[in-house]
Amino acid sequence: DGGITQSPKYLFRKEGQNVTLSCEQNLNHDAMYWYRQDPGQGLRLIYYSQIVNDFQKGDIAEGYSVSREKKESFPLTVTSAQKNPTAFYLCASSPRPGQGYEQFFGPGTRLTVL
Amino acid sequence: GQSLEQPSEVTAVEGAIVQINCTYQTSGFYGLSWYQQHDGGAPTFLSYNALDGLEETGRFSSFLSRSDSYGYLLLQELQMKDSASYFCAVSARTGANNLFFGTGTRLTVIP
Repeated sequence: DGGITQSPKYLFRKEGQNVTLSCEQNLNHDAMYWYRQDPGQGLRLIYYSQIVNDFQKGDIAEGYSVSREKKESFPLTVTSAQKNPTAFYLCASSPRPGQGYEQFFGPGTRLTVL
Repeated sequence: GQSLEQPSEVTAVEGAIVQINCTYQTSGFYGLSWYQQHDGGAPTFLSYNALDGLEETGRFSSFLSRSDSYGYLLLQELQMKDSASYFCAVSARTGANNLFFGTGTRLTVIP
């Protein structure tokens, strides 16, 4: 079955620690995205990648980093520089970047900083 | 920049019809999308409008008026499983034409 997987589903981290969230897709999509969602809020774009070995900052990139070494994978690292990292993180992909293309979302990772 | 407005909460009765409105402000508007998200789940795509008018997909329809910077999602024959949050999102001819999401409308369907 094609789709997007994210792991882990729940993640706990101590303050000051970096943590990496996994995102893998087997849909052969060019574009991938990371969003953050806070309770009762919409999705805010952290980073996006239109093609392998290329990625761009979204609206709230500070304190986060990404890589896109393979088409299938787009891991997100939440660094200690992120002031308020507790949130629900969603990874998405689309066949090509741009208007009108449906974004397919993974199940999300809920990160809690203790 | 971009901004979207949609009601925060809507309650409707099972079997009824409900309309969720979305107004937007953006430069270089290209299209309006709708996504559904159940509690704790992933958003799923419902519809996309680039041109004025109504798009129908089963019980769900979506409307766009570019001149009014306005759209809505219409849900008919409401079912309990339709209880979820609904997000409108704009795409624009800026940067990579990414989606910019509204804050969502929480729909509660009651018996």
